[in-house]
Amino acid sequence: NAGVTQTPKFRILKIGQSMTLQCTQDMNHNYMYWYRQDPGMGLKLIYYSVGAGITDKGEVPNGYNVSRSTTEDFPLRLELAAPSQTSVYFCASSYLPGSTEAFFGQGTRLTVV
Amino acid sequence: QKEVEQNSGPLSVPEGAIASLNCTYSDRGSQSFFWYRQYSGKSPELIMFIYSNGDKEDGRFTAQLNKASQYVSLLIRDSQPSDSATYLCAGFMDSNYQLIWGAGTKLIIKP
Repeated sequence: NAGVTQTPKFRILKIGQSMTLQCTQDMNHNYMYWYRQDPGMGLKLIYYSVGAGITDKGEVPNGYNVSRSTTEDFPLRLELAAPSQTSVYFCASSYLPGSTEAFFGQGTRLTVV
Repeated sequence: QKEVEQNSGPLSVPEGAIASLNCTYSDRGSQSFFWYRQYSGKSPELIMFIYSNGDKEDGRFTAQLNKASQYVSLLIRDSQPSDSATYLCAGFMDSNYQLIWGAGTKLIIKP
């Protein structure tokens, strides 16, 4: 099994550009999450989804958008990139988030210059 | 605001000793707690989770939960250099299916 696949691994954006971070999981998990992790910090939830067609904001949603058209895919869209969005982004999925492991993608290191 | 607090460290422990990592949380509604290990530049990976008061053991790892005092701990016995990593504590919020994460404790095992 591939688990959670996240692309790209690295990206440099100029201020004002847009991009989409891709996330795909093959474990048929309903719950999917996007986090950002700043240096020396824990994970901050950007958006999450409890199933296809259902998404909701997390702690730090401003400047981001998501969609969940299928169980497998949960892309994260950055509109009008700003230096404050420089971070490492992780996608994760879970079967039962309160009692089972969250599987993480490899992460995307994004720099906005 | 619901929070999970950890000492950022670094915590330095000699090889073979017991490493003790602690975490406190503010929301009494938190149902379960997770410990993840994160090597530098890598994604987090689950060590173990606990939802009942008391101890839970898995190999060299023991998680402890005290809901009355609102703290969770992770003990690592016979610490190895390969245990050097950042350990993230997370509490699960049943109300919105979210994990609330601490900032992590950096653990260094000295040979």
